[in-house]
Amino acid sequence: EVQVVESGGGSVQPGGSLRLSCAASGFIFSNYWMSWVRQAPGKGLECVAIIKEDGSEKDYVGSVKGRFTISRDNAKNSLYLQMNSLRAEDTAVYFCVRDLGYYVMDVWGQGTTVSVSS
Amino acid sequence: QSALTQPRSVSGSPGQSVAISCTGTSRDVGAFNYVSWYQQHPGKAPKLIIFNVIKRPSGVPDRFSGSKSGNTASLTISGLQAEDEADYYCCSHAGGYTLGLFGGGTKLTVL
Repeated sequence: EVQVVESGGGSVQPGGSLRLSCAASGFIFSNYWMSWVRQAPGKGLECVAIIKEDGSEKDYVGSVKGRFTISRDNAKNSLYLQMNSLRAEDTAVYFCVRDLGYYVMDVWGQGTTVSVSS
Repeated sequence: QSALTQPRSVSGSPGQSVAISCTGTSRDVGAFNYVSWYQQHPGKAPKLIIFNVIKRPSGVPDRFSGSKSGNTASLTISGLQAEDEADYYCCSHAGGYTLGLFGGGTKLTVL
């Protein structure tokens, strides 16, 4: 079964850090771009970061540039999101997503919740 | 980069058809035929239902169809069923970015 499973969410104070992980299975992980998409409580979807198959290209939404880092370990079939200098507005469910390119996201995890508050 | 514009809500009775619009600009929706649509039930992960404007992934009923005219894409759901009640999001090119740009989402209510 093709699936991705997120972990690493939690509660953190403003300015803190968290590292999200995503374990992929059922497909050749190294053949796909991967993304993180978030959804703030009661709000819509927002693409946060994307990474190429081999990790050589990355892109971020403006609001997280310089604070978040997306990475992957193809040997471990894993995707990561290092989140530093967290702000209240980063509070959201974070989804790990398989990205076919051209905004086609066909495999979604169930999400992991990040809460930033004092 | 502003989110693509979708109506906040639409509604229809079982068996009817509804259309959800997604309006952008010539730099996003109008730039390429790369518009996708996602369905999200409460508390669940989004599900891809339309990609490349008009294509349906395997397993998605043909009651779901997509189209585009100029800077506006549309998702049409025909023969509405109770299980279609969900939030729907469009996604498209975001100018010079690799990341996609989502619409604000539309809540579909089946009356």
